[in-house]
Formats: sequence, structure tokens, C-alpha cells
Amino acid sequence: DAGITQSPRYKITETGRQVTLMCHQTWSHSYMFWYRQDLGHGLRLIYYSAAADITDKGEVPDGYVVSRSKTENFPLTLESATRSQTSVYFCASSEVGRQGAWEQYFGPGTRLTVT
Amino acid sequence: QKEVEQNSGPLSVPEGAIASLNCTYSDRGSQSFFWYRQYSGKSPELIMSIYSNGDKEDGRFTAQLNKASQYVSLLIRDSQPSDSATYLCAVKFSGGYNKLIFGAGTRLAVHP
Repeated sequence: DAGITQSPRYKITETGRQVTLMCHQTWSHSYMFWYRQDLGHGLRLIYYSAAADITDKGEVPDGYVVSRSKTENFPLTLESATRSQTSVYFCASSEVGRQGAWEQYFGPGTRLTVT
Repeated sequence: QKEVEQNSGPLSVPEGAIASLNCTYSDRGSQSFFWYRQYSGKSPELIMSIYSNGDKEDGRFTAQLNKASQYVSLLIRDSQPSDSATYLCAVKFSGGYNKLIFGAGTRLAVHP
């Protein structure tokens, strides 16, 4: 039972390059989320998805693009990376429909450095 | 403005003591509350969820919720050095806001 995985775990890229972070979950959870975590800011929501082909902006969406063609995958793309996007990125998933809904489970994270 | 507030710490407790972590939130209508533990360099791990006023116990952990005071806490009994981590409080706000708001976290240090 792999749960939720992210790839790559570490990435170094240059300013202006496009980079895609992958997230895959095996629980068939409806909801998936992308967060970034920076010192002094805690976890901030970038985008989330309620189901395949349904996505919405979070707190800090600028410079990011998401898609969700399959329930299990939720890639996050930085269209033109900037140094301010250097961060640790976490993917999470959640299910709905019972009291335990909204318990989010996190992937291991991707540490991204933009030089 | 949806806010979840935590004392950043560090909260330093001796091994074997009770660690008390606190969290306040801004939305009186919130119904779901969660505590996550995050070790340095790792991802957040869900350790407790609570939905009703009162106490919920799970092993050495007790979550306490007081909706009238908009306050949720986490008690860790018999603290161990392995409990040293950052503890994140998360709240699902009301009004169809289908996301969690996280506090910035409290760093706990348990010293032998």
C-alpha cells in the first residue's frame, strides 16, 4: 500500500525553466491538495482538486498550474520558475462522506531549489 | 479572515512531563479539528482528529476541544525525546470552505 507518493523528492532548476512536480495516490481519494511550506509562513495552499477535472485556487496560486485528468494523479507545474518558488512542496489527499472527512494525508514532499 | 493561531515555541519540557500545546481559531462555526506532527525534514503526520466538545484520548495523546472559546489543545503525557517535533493545528472552517487552514506550528523539545 504505497499511499501517496511524490516525485522527484529533490529538484534543482534554473530561473525561467518549467518544472513539474508529480503526486500520485492509491487510496482513490476525491480531494487532492498542493501546499508549499516556507520558514515563517507554515503550510500554504496552492491549488486543490475536488475530483478529476475539477480544480480551484488556494491561497498562493500565482505562477503555478495544475491538472487532474485521473483521480490518482495531481501534477503541479511551475510554468517559469522563480527564486521565490524555492520551497518544500507537499501533496495531500482527503476523502469525503463520513465524519473522518477532511483528514488530509500528506506525501513525503519535494524540495525544490530555483537558482 | 480565516485564522488559526499557535504559539511558535519552542516549548521545552523534561522527559516524562506533560506537554500542553494550544491553538485558537477564528471561525465559531468550525466543526473539524486536527493535530499533525512534523519531524524536521519530514511531512506532516496526522495524529489526532476531534469533532465534538470535550476530550479525546489516544494513547499518550489527548485532544481537547472547546468550541465556545474557539480553542483546541493537545496534551502529550509522559513526553519522550522522540516527541520532539513541530505540532501543527488544522481547522476545517464552515461555510463550504472545503479546505483545512493550518497554524504555523509549535515546536516541542523534550529534553532527557
